[in-house]
Amino acid sequence: DAGITQSPRHKVTETGTPVTLRCHQTENHRYMYWYRQDPGHGLRLIHYSYGVKDTDKGEVSDGYSVSRSKTEDFLLTLESATSSQTSVYFCAISRSGTVNQETQYFGPGTRLLVL
Amino acid sequence: EDQVTQSPEALRLQEGESSSLNCSYTVSGLRGLFWYRQDPGKGPEFLFTLYSAGEEKEKERLKATLTKKESFLHITAPKPEDSATYLCGASGTYKYIFGTGTRLKVLA
Repeated sequence: DAGITQSPRHKVTETGTPVTLRCHQTENHRYMYWYRQDPGHGLRLIHYSYGVKDTDKGEVSDGYSVSRSKTEDFLLTLESATSSQTSVYFCAISRSGTVNQETQYFGPGTRLLVL
Repeated sequence: EDQVTQSPEALRLQEGESSSLNCSYTVSGLRGLFWYRQDPGKGPEFLFTLYSAGEEKEKERLKATLTKKESFLHITAPKPEDSATYLCGASGTYKYIFGTGTRLKVLA
């Protein structure tokens, strides 16, 4: 257990509405990541953070923004949700500064349905 | 282009029937090769990280190996509780890349 929680766990929203997903960690790790998982595509990196207020884009960042104002929280925002953003979203952390520092540990996921 | 490809997409085994899952990778500056187990409706659960060709790691009925082009997850005498999707991923120059997984079903 990497001490990661995600909220909400399930959400249904309408096209055009803003949506914010929250990832919370209890172990003070520097690196945090947001992925989406879709059938046929596997896990794809959306954005990642390497410290408070330090973020960068991943493979599929269009339509998404992130913020990290505290070490423990990493927020993913869909400014105007579209049906193509229906997916399962996973947050992950990596334990930088350890022997296994490349390894990522994943949260339980958020299922988002955009109607 | 960096990519990770897993095969087969799905695998059905009888309980006790050993087999292997394959993960072929083309990743610039490989820093780590990862295996995860994912149960339906849950997040990926970490199994192994491999760092260099020739490295092997074991955990219960699972053994992961790594060459310069591919990794194998060997499952010895599987049980029904080993049924899950197994994900392979790699970290390299462009951060993390994952395959689409192998869905394993072990029949009693």
